[in-house]
Amino acid sequence: LAKTTQPISMDSYEGQEVNITCSHNNIATNDYITWYQQFPSQGPRFIIQGYKTKVTNEVASLFIPADRKSSTLSLPRVSLSDTAVYYCLVGDRRNNDMRFGAGTRLTVKP
Amino acid sequence: GAGVSQSPSNKVTEKGKDVELRCDPISGHTALYWYRQSLGQGLEFLIYFQGNSAPDKSGLPSDRFSAERTGGSVSTLTIQRTQQEDSAVYLCASSLRVSGRINEQFFGPGTRLTVL
Repeated sequence: LAKTTQPISMDSYEGQEVNITCSHNNIATNDYITWYQQFPSQGPRFIIQGYKTKVTNEVASLFIPADRKSSTLSLPRVSLSDTAVYYCLVGDRRNNDMRFGAGTRLTVKP
Repeated sequence: GAGVSQSPSNKVTEKGKDVELRCDPISGHTALYWYRQSLGQGLEFLIYFQGNSAPDKSGLPSDRFSAERTGGSVSTLTIQRTQQEDSAVYLCASSLRVSGRINEQFFGPGTRLTVL
């Protein structure tokens, strides 16, 4: 299974765009890239999933370059409530990858 | 509809006792996962059930941990002879595996286990 590497923590300020990059050098052909968000004292919540190029929903955008060896989660105009841990997972769509790793702890400051 | 529920929400036990943690997945979800999360750490995969297939137990840390899923629905995670290092939040998730669909995992609120 593809191993992922993310920054341990990031700081930002309200209203800024935040980009969190995940490296997955040995991603397999059938693997998808999924991001989850976890607030304190809650279970993780699905944010976005993609295979290649760009995916956008009401919460975030996911940018995946052609070689798919990395991906970037983009959060537009963050607010204090976006303070959370963000996890990048890589795995086959048919078999959810269960390796969440340590995630990236995002702190949004006023 | 109802989400994933877990009980109890908090459990305090003494070292050496057995504990049972319960997970009620979303109705109709065929896949069920157990994770463990220590304070300030990421999620550690424990076990995965998918339909009637043999569970993936590759994440269980020791033979003191076991889990079962009855009737393809409710699951119970059992920890025997608890140790202080077992103290953590135990999270359950379920997902619906449908061909061509994104298999989003829905998480419960977790059970906070404290072993004294």
